[in-house]
Amino acid sequence: DQQVKQNSPSLSVQEGRISILNCDYTNSMFDYFLWYKKYPAEGPTFLISISSIKDKNEDGRFTVFLNKSAKHLSLHIVPSQPGDSAVYFCAARSGSARQLTFGSGTQLTVLP
Amino acid sequence: ETGVTQTPRHLVMGMTNKKSLKCEQHLGHNAMYWYKQSAKKPLELMFVYSLEERVENNSVPSRFSPECPNSSHLFLHLHTLQPEDSALYLCASSQASGTPGDTQYFGPGTRLTVL
Repeated sequence: DQQVKQNSPSLSVQEGRISILNCDYTNSMFDYFLWYKKYPAEGPTFLISISSIKDKNEDGRFTVFLNKSAKHLSLHIVPSQPGDSAVYFCAARSGSARQLTFGSGTQLTVLP
Repeated sequence: ETGVTQTPRHLVMGMTNKKSLKCEQHLGHNAMYWYKQSAKKPLELMFVYSLEERVENNSVPSRFSPECPNSSHLFLHLHTLQPEDSALYLCASSQASGTPGDTQYFGPGTRLTVL
């Protein structure tokens, strides 16, 4: 059973609007969460992360929100740009463990 | 070269072939990882090396054999693979500081097709 789920395989958004990508997890031991972005023919690129002691982390156009009680996190991109079109992966880690558990990804398409 | 590099980028092999995937990191990291990504599935961790010692092996079949001669290089030796092993194989590295903020950096991957 997947411990990290991204239930939307795809999302289309108009340029300039907000993109919201969602991720749910089941393992309550997860305490660190990351978002990666992947372009075709490239490896995943680290985007932003959040520790479970926080509920929000912001970096430029990217903000990650964490709702521990709901075991849910989301990535907000605003304003969305065509160059943001990529597959976005949510990942989670427990304690100092090296292993990351990944979701299956959401393909974001930003329409010009 | 910067970051994490992988060669070859594409590989087609028969089930009786023996081939190797190579990964090199130029980030001064101490941990390296092999992941497998099959179509429409999450990345699956295969192996973890920290300071050249294998620390995790996620029940990977023996037809996949990793080798880490030093902290900058990681290989994945392949033999008698099956068609279902066709996937994108990704290498990653991290500082392995043991802190939650230890971020993994990925290479571009090798697209493997087993005929």
